[in-house]
Amino acid sequence: LAKTTQPISMDSYEGQEVNITCSHNNIATNDYITWYQQFPSQGPRFIIQGYKTKVTNEVASLFIPADRKSSTLSLPRVSLSDTAVYYCLVGDPFSGTYKYIFGTGTRLKVLA
Amino acid sequence: EAGVAQSPRYKIIEKRQSVAFWCNPISGHATLYWYQQILGQGPKLLIQFQNNGVVDDSQLPKDRFSAERLKGVDSTLKIQPAKLEDSAVYLCASSPPREWTVAKNIQYFGAGTRLSVL
Repeated sequence: LAKTTQPISMDSYEGQEVNITCSHNNIATNDYITWYQQFPSQGPRFIIQGYKTKVTNEVASLFIPADRKSSTLSLPRVSLSDTAVYYCLVGDPFSGTYKYIFGTGTRLKVLA
Repeated sequence: EAGVAQSPRYKIIEKRQSVAFWCNPISGHATLYWYQQILGQGPKLLIQFQNNGVVDDSQLPKDRFSAERLKGVDSTLKIQPAKLEDSAVYLCASSPPREWTVAKNIQYFGAGTRLSVL
């Protein structure tokens, strides 16, 4: 299973774009990158998943360079409600043995 | 669409007592997971069910933890006897069949049960 490394915490101001980078140097060919968001007193919530290049949805964008050894979650124009912990997960979602291994995540604090 | 339901939301017990948590997954989700999340850490998988069969329980402390999923729907997680270090949030999650979504192996989490062992 690919090991991931993320910053422990980040601060940002409302209206700014936030980029959270995750390193996964030993990512395997069949692995995907998936990001989850967790608010206090709630379970994690799926944000976005990608394999290569760029993926965008209504919440975020995910940028994956050609070597796939890292990925960047981009949150456009954050608000106070985006204050949460963000987890990067790497693995083969088509594998019958795939299981999520959550690290400590990145604690994002959005300031007014 | 109803989410993953868990109960109770909070539970306080004394060490060596027993406790049980209940989970009702999203309708149609065959895969169900139980996680333990200790304060300040990410969730740790305890057990994974596919329908009513166990797929992975390698991190379940089987001397005190047990889980079942009768009829492939609801599930219960039990701790007997509880220790102080079991204080955590217990999260239940479920996954839809792969053909339901573009993104794969997405897990939908409940709000969790916060357990305090005194």
